[in-house]
Amino acid sequence: SQQGEEDPQALSIQEGENATMNCSYKTSINNLQWYRQNSGRGLVHLILIRSNEREKHSGRLRVTLDTSKKSSSLLITASRAADTASYFCATDRDSSYKLIFGSGTRLLVRP
Amino acid sequence: DTAVSQTPKYLVTQMGNDKSIKCEQNLGHDTMYWYKQDSKKFLKIMFSYNNKELIINETVPNRFSPKSPDKAHLNLHINSLELGDSAVYFCASSRGGAGRGGANTGELFFGEGSRLTVL
Repeated sequence: SQQGEEDPQALSIQEGENATMNCSYKTSINNLQWYRQNSGRGLVHLILIRSNEREKHSGRLRVTLDTSKKSSSLLITASRAADTASYFCATDRDSSYKLIFGSGTRLLVRP
Repeated sequence: DTAVSQTPKYLVTQMGNDKSIKCEQNLGHDTMYWYKQDSKKFLKIMFSYNNKELIINETVPNRFSPKSPDKAHLNLHINSLELGDSAVYFCASSRGGAGRGGANTGELFFGEGSRLTVL
């Protein structure tokens, strides 16, 4: 079963706007990761946040983690057309050798 | 110098056939994975190996048999292919497990995927 549920399933914004994607999970975790997948390509790691961290930044990306609510959000600021992709959260629910992925958010950034 | 490479990229075959997908990583990682992504983009883990040893077998049918001849390679052989096997199969690797302890970054590096179509 999927560990993470992402919201929204699809998001369409104008270039320059911010995009926020949310991820909820069900059981305790050690870390939560976000990945991007361009159409027809493999997944690319964006950022990892550990369970004892609340916020992390990387360039135009900002990730928050609320372990009490079992949720995380990914904010992409000043979006670009090149940010168009699917974004997945992933958690190590049962085992450090088993990364479980959410259902993904499809982001479209209109030029 | 692709980090995680898998072949073939596309595979079209008839039901009942047997096929293999090969994966190699040149990152020096200890752990390798196979994931299946269906038409709705759901990614499901199938197997994970650490130093050639099977760690996770996520209730995958026996028709799927992974083989890791060394820690840089993890191949996937599928017997008696069924229509439901049509999907994109991704190989990935990581340094140690996905996030526990020490200097392990927990990051997975993915191949570009092998799209399997069973007719």
